Amino acid sequence: GENVEQHPSTLSVQEGDSAVIKCTYSDSASNYFPWYKQELGKRPQLIIDIRSNVGEKKDQRIAVTLNKTAKHFSLHITETQPEDSAVYFCAASLNSGYSTLTFGKGTMLLVSP
Amino acid sequence: EAGVAQSPRYKIIEKRQSVAFWCNPISGHATLYWYQQILGQGPKLLIQFQNNGVVDDSQLPKDRFSAERLKGVDSTLKIQPAKLEDSAVYLCASSRDKNTEAFFGQGTRLTVV
Repeated sequence: GENVEQHPSTLSVQEGDSAVIKCTYSDSASNYFPWYKQELGKRPQLIIDIRSNVGEKKDQRIAVTLNKTAKHFSLHITETQPEDSAVYFCAASLNSGYSTLTFGKGTMLLVSP
Repeated sequence: EAGVAQSPRYKIIEKRQSVAFWCNPISGHATLYWYQQILGQGPKLLIQFQNNGVVDDSQLPKDRFSAERLKGVDSTLKIQPAKLEDSAVYLCASSRDKNTEAFFGQGTRLTVV
């Protein structure tokens, strides 16, 4: 099955800095890569996603890049704010039948004022 | 639109007892997932339904866990008997179909003592 590795496990930045979280996946058939943000005690919520026919996608301060050859994708957050502090999960979905989302182990992002 | 509803929010049971969780997905969503999220880890898929059929239960510990989605709407997840290592948050999610955004419920936090 699919295996998703996520790094780093924790990331501390100063407000206004950029943050980058990286994920790798094992199955080249995966074609859907969402990122979820989970605040303490709350449900995971989708913040951005990308499909394998696209190399980069942006939404305001958030961007995701995908390198299919290397089988890795990254989340970039610019001009970080304290409210960006949360756990971020990447996930990958196989392109086979009714595919399943496999999640990484998460990155705790701490943005200090 | 209304979100994914789960109940109860919290449950504490003794080991070897039984427990059941309930999920009501977003109206019209054909795909329903149950995830187990152990503290500090990413969600791990237990079972995925497409309408009322199971499409992936490869990671469900079938000797103690069971799930059903009668009529293709609500779903229940049962653990019988519970073990200490079952302590986790059980997240239900639904999506319109495969490879589209999965919306998560608030989860049920299970503590087995």
